[in-house]
Parts: sequence; structure tokens; C-alpha cells
Amino acid sequence: AAGVIQSPRHLIKEKRETATLKCYPIPRHDTVYWYQQGPGQDPQFLISFYEKMQSDKGSIPDRFSAQQFSDYHSELNMSSLELGDSALYFCASSLTLQETQYFGPGTRLLVL
Amino acid sequence: DQQVKQNSPSLSVQEGRISILNCDYTNSMFDYFLWYKKYPAEGPTFLISISSIKDKNEDGRFTVFLNKSAKHLSLHIVPSQPGDSAVYFCAAMGRNQGAQKLVFGQGTRLTINP
Repeated sequence: AAGVIQSPRHLIKEKRETATLKCYPIPRHDTVYWYQQGPGQDPQFLISFYEKMQSDKGSIPDRFSAQQFSDYHSELNMSSLELGDSALYFCASSLTLQETQYFGPGTRLLVL
Repeated sequence: DQQVKQNSPSLSVQEGRISILNCDYTNSMFDYFLWYKKYPAEGPTFLISISSIKDKNEDGRFTVFLNKSAKHLSLHIVPSQPGDSAVYFCAAMGRNQGAQKLVFGQGTRLTINP
């Protein structure tokens, strides 16, 4: 069965640069979630989108923005990167709101 | 403030025996609970869930028990297999509150010994 696709899988950036992470949900899933997992930590919710509109917001820095497109894929844009942004970024999707979330493989971001 | 807690960072179990992973939560608004399994360099894989209207849900070798009064849930894996070795995350959601985010515990690393 098709799963959540994330690209790139690995990304290395320098401080103050920008990064764009992409997420392609499971077909027919209309809700996308972004989570950040720092080293040795549990995943923390950043933001979610339902039917192309932001539906919930967590601990997402103002330097980050995200959107969901007409094909339901989502992009997380990160600007003015800081060393502390180094983490695993997971995208999850679900078939409508509040259903079980299925996670992608993650993007490992390293900020030098 | 850790709303979902997995107090055992690691657990070692003999192959064929039962593995019991525990999870406690503090927010009484949580009404939907999930267990995810995570291998290194992969995303969390959904295992099993339970709604707060139930006290047990079973799927093959995996059973989740929910004790609402104690705000405690547990995942039982029986019989345990070497492929079960992974980090297990407990997660919770307040669906009746319109929440969409999952709140995760810190994870428990399960090692199944041959």
C-alpha cells in the first residue's frame, strides 16, 4: 500500500539559510500534519492542514511556514535556520480530521 | 509539562514471552490513544489504537488496555518476536475537543532477546 512520501530524506544547511521540506500524503488522505523530533526527544506537533486550510497549530516558530496544495501535498518552509532546528521532521496524513495518523519516513535536517 | 509519560526508557524481554509497555497520561481530555513502533531512520508505524469508550482492543499479537480511572494504558505483545525490537511510542489525542495533534510519550526501547 502507498505510504506517506517525504523529500528530501536528508538535508544539510548552514545557519541563516532556508529549507523546504515536502510531504505527499497517502492517496485520498486530505489531512496533513508536521512534527519535529529533536535528538533524544519525542515528536512535537508543529502544524496541520485539512482540505488545504490550516487546521491546528502547535509549537511552530514564526520563522517556519507551511501550506497544503490543491493536490493535498504539503510543504514546510523554514527560514533563518538555526543550529537548534537540526532534527527529524515527520509528516503524517490521515483520512479526514482526527482519524489515525500515518507517518512518513521523515526528513533529517542538519544545520551547520 | 509531559502530558503523556512512558516511565520505562527500555525493556528487555525473552523471545516468546509477553512484552508489556506502559503509558500514563495526565490530561483527562484525551479520548483516543495510539501506539506507534519506530525503527531507526524510519517514521513511526501505527500499531493499534483505542478509544476512551473501550477498555481493550486486540489485533493479532497486540492488545492495548485502557484504565481511564488510573489514566493508564498498556500495550501487550504476545508472543514477542525478535522483529518487535524497536522504540515504542504511546500517543494521545483529545478528539472530542477538536484537537488534531498527537501528544507523544518519550518512548520505550524494547529489545527481544533470542
